[in-house]
Amino acid sequence: SQQGEEDPQALSIQEGENATMNCSYKTSINNLQWYRQNSGRGLVHLILIRSNEREKHSGRLRVTLDTSKKSSSLLITASRAADTASYFCATGGGSNYKLTFGKGTLLTVNP
Amino acid sequence: DAGITQSPRHKVTETGTPVTLRCHQTENHRYMYWYRQDPGHGLRLIHYSYGVKDTDKGEVSDGYSVSRSKTEDFLLTLESATSSQTSVYFCAISEGDYQETQYFGPGTRLLVL
Repeated sequence: SQQGEEDPQALSIQEGENATMNCSYKTSINNLQWYRQNSGRGLVHLILIRSNEREKHSGRLRVTLDTSKKSSSLLITASRAADTASYFCATGGGSNYKLTFGKGTLLTVNP
Repeated sequence: DAGITQSPRHKVTETGTPVTLRCHQTENHRYMYWYRQDPGHGLRLIHYSYGVKDTDKGEVSDGYSVSRSKTEDFLLTLESATSSQTSVYFCAISEGDYQETQYFGPGTRLLVL
């Protein structure tokens, strides 16, 4: 069963705008990760945030984690057409080496 | 890409035939994983391995078996393929202090007719 659930399922924006995707989960976690998948390709790890962290940055990516609400958000600033992809959150629990993935948000960035 | 390759990349087979997918890694990673990805279901774990000859079931293991006789190879076998096993299959390895971060292969598209 899916632990994380992304929202929205699909998002379409113009180049240069910011994109925000959310992930909600049900049980306690040790970490939450975001992955990107370009069409027809494997998933690519973007960023990991641990349960004792509230915010993390990596380039144009900003991730927040609210363990009290069991939710996370991924913000992509100044989006580019190349950011068009599906974005998945994944949660790691008691067994850190096993991840549970959500169903993903399809982001389309229009030039 | 963490040195992960999958073979074959595409396969069409018939119901009832056995199918073996291969995942090969070149960087001596201990943990390896097999996932399937289907529309509406996201990515689901089939089996994983935590060392040579050490494997365990994931969320959707029925109808699948795995073997790992060498560190670098993790094989996924569909003993008797069914149409419900039509999917895209991804292999992954994990890295990091706690084996938290996963890196994925390019995937195998399997069509069972």
